[in-house]
Amino acid sequence: NAGVTQTPKFRVLKTGQSMTLLCAQDMNHEYMYWYRQDPGMGLRLIHYSVGEGTTAKGEVPDGYNVSRLKKQNFLLGLESAAPSQTSVYFCASGPLEGSREQYFGPGTRLTVT
Amino acid sequence: GENVEQHPSTLSVQEGDSAVIKCTYSDSASNYFPWYKQELGKGPQLIIDIRSNVGEKKDQRIAVTLNKTAKHFSLHITETQPEDSAVYFCAANTGGFKTIFGAGTRLFVKA
Repeated sequence: NAGVTQTPKFRVLKTGQSMTLLCAQDMNHEYMYWYRQDPGMGLRLIHYSVGEGTTAKGEVPDGYNVSRLKKQNFLLGLESAAPSQTSVYFCASGPLEGSREQYFGPGTRLTVT
Repeated sequence: GENVEQHPSTLSVQEGDSAVIKCTYSDSASNYFPWYKQELGKGPQLIIDIRSNVGEKKDQRIAVTLNKTAKHFSLHITETQPEDSAVYFCAANTGGFKTIFGAGTRLFVKA
């Protein structure tokens, strides 16, 4: 049981390049989330999904797109990276029933130069 | 908009002492308050949570208190150990999918 995994762990992009971050969970959770973490600002929600085939905007969605084609995977895309998107990105998942606990992945450190 | 303020941003204690981290929230509809611990290079991990119908919850050396009237909630760690050193985040949720996180507290426990 790996929990929530993220790939890649690190990435350096040039301004204008694109990339996709992959999140996978093996806990059969309905809910999945993408956050960014910046110094002194805690975790901010980018996009989330309440089930396969559904996505919704969070607090800071601009410049990002997401897809949830399979229940266990949640992809975060940057179409044209900007230096302001330099951050650590965390994926999380949570069950449909019971608590609103979120299980986080180990993070992806992205630098945009 | 919705906001969660967390204090202090940095806390240094001697091993064996207690540590207290405080948070305030703005949305009176918030009814679920989790606390996460983040170790270096890892993702946040839930350590304790409390719901609005409870004033206090304890789990071994960790306790959380909630004052809904004042919109305050706090994390208390007793008998701190070096492995408690980490960044701690408070958060508030209104029942939907949006959880608002505090900015975090970096706790140092000196041996």
